[in-house]
Order: sequence, then C-alpha cells, then structure tokens
Amino acid sequence: KQEVTQIPAALSVPEGENLVLNCSFTDSAIYNLQWFRQDPGKGLTSLLLIQSSQREQTSGRLNASLDKSSGRSTLYIAASQPGDSATYLCAVNRGSTLGRLYFGRGTQLTVWP
Amino acid sequence: SQTIHQWPATLVQPVGSPLSLECTVEGTSNPNLYWYRQAAGRGLQLLFYSVGIGQISSEVPQNLSASRPQDRQFILSSKKLLLSDSGFYLCAWTQQGGNTEAFFGQGTRLTVV
Repeated sequence: KQEVTQIPAALSVPEGENLVLNCSFTDSAIYNLQWFRQDPGKGLTSLLLIQSSQREQTSGRLNASLDKSSGRSTLYIAASQPGDSATYLCAVNRGSTLGRLYFGRGTQLTVWP
Repeated sequence: SQTIHQWPATLVQPVGSPLSLECTVEGTSNPNLYWYRQAAGRGLQLLFYSVGIGQISSEVPQNLSASRPQDRQFILSSKKLLLSDSGFYLCAWTQQGGNTEAFFGQGTRLTVV
C-alpha cells in the first residue's frame, strides 16, 4: 500500500523567503508525482507533474524535484508572496494505468507581508 | 482547452435524504473520471473511478454509488444520506492511460444534518 507523508503540516513565513515543502512516499514504483495547490473551500489546482523518469520540473517560481529511489519529492518556492498562501498537496500515481492518486495530507502555507 | 464542472458548490441535506452530485468534462473525449472525498483532518480518498461509459469501480465500501451515463458525465449518488457522508467531494479527470496530469473540479461541500 502506498503511503504519502508531507512535512511540515503547517508553515508560516514572511514574504520574500525561499521555501521547501517535503513529500515522501513508501512505494518507489510510481508512474508520476503531482503537486497541487488548494485554496480554502476550493478544488485542487495542478502545479507540477513529474514523470517517474524525470528528476525535476519547473514552472515560474516553483521547482519540484523527484528522487524515486529514496521515495522523496520536494517543492521549492522562490521569493514567496502572500498570494502563495494555500495548502499544498503531493500525490503519487502508483504505477497504475488507471491514474489512481495517493495523496498526502498537505502542508498549509501562510506567507505574511 | 479542457474544463471540468461540478455542481452544486454547497449542499446541506438531512439524514436519510437522497443525493445527486454531477460532474461534466469539456474539451476531451473518453477521459478517466474519478470521485474523491476530502474529510476534515484526512487526506483525499478515492471513492470511485471510471474508464468508460457504464464502467464503474469502487475503492471503498460505502453508502454511495456512482454512474457514468455519458462519456463526459460522472454522477455521485446516494439513496439515503448518513451523517458520515459529510465532506468535500471532488471530481477529477485524466486522459486514458493514467500516466498523465490529473485535473480537478471546484468541489462540492456536503453537510448532512
């Protein structure tokens, strides 16, 4: 069974800081890993998708890395802004063509001005 | 471009009443469709998935059912709601094959009273 853990559960930082959010998973046999953002009471917005053959993906101020052998991924947020405040979720597709995702419980990020 | 719609956004229902939540996807054909539930203090849990019209698979035993009457329509139902059915319900889609990015709807907040 795939278990996904995200650390820390909550993070509060001043604007401008560079951040690292961590995600670990127990079964390294994955198809891909996806990072999402969730604003309060809203659905999930896809941020980055990393295929199992890739080491990292970048989009703007976001950079996600994947180390499949150690079962870890990190989401790096550069120069954080108050608008980055949200819950960030990590999800792994556990080697299935059905696209079933296993989610962590998320990291709640607050960036204050 | 592809879009996913969920409705209603919010629903308050008495115990024992029926439920129908609807999800539709536009701009793609033959998607994989999913219903997830996000309960307070817990991660997202997959409830149902579908790889085609009339094809429904359940991940966990429960009081809910799902149907896919059309290629891009996914419905979550219950004949009699329980208090424990309260939660945030999210519909998602991926392309066939599963090794692709997942996209989520805006969710339905269900409160059973």
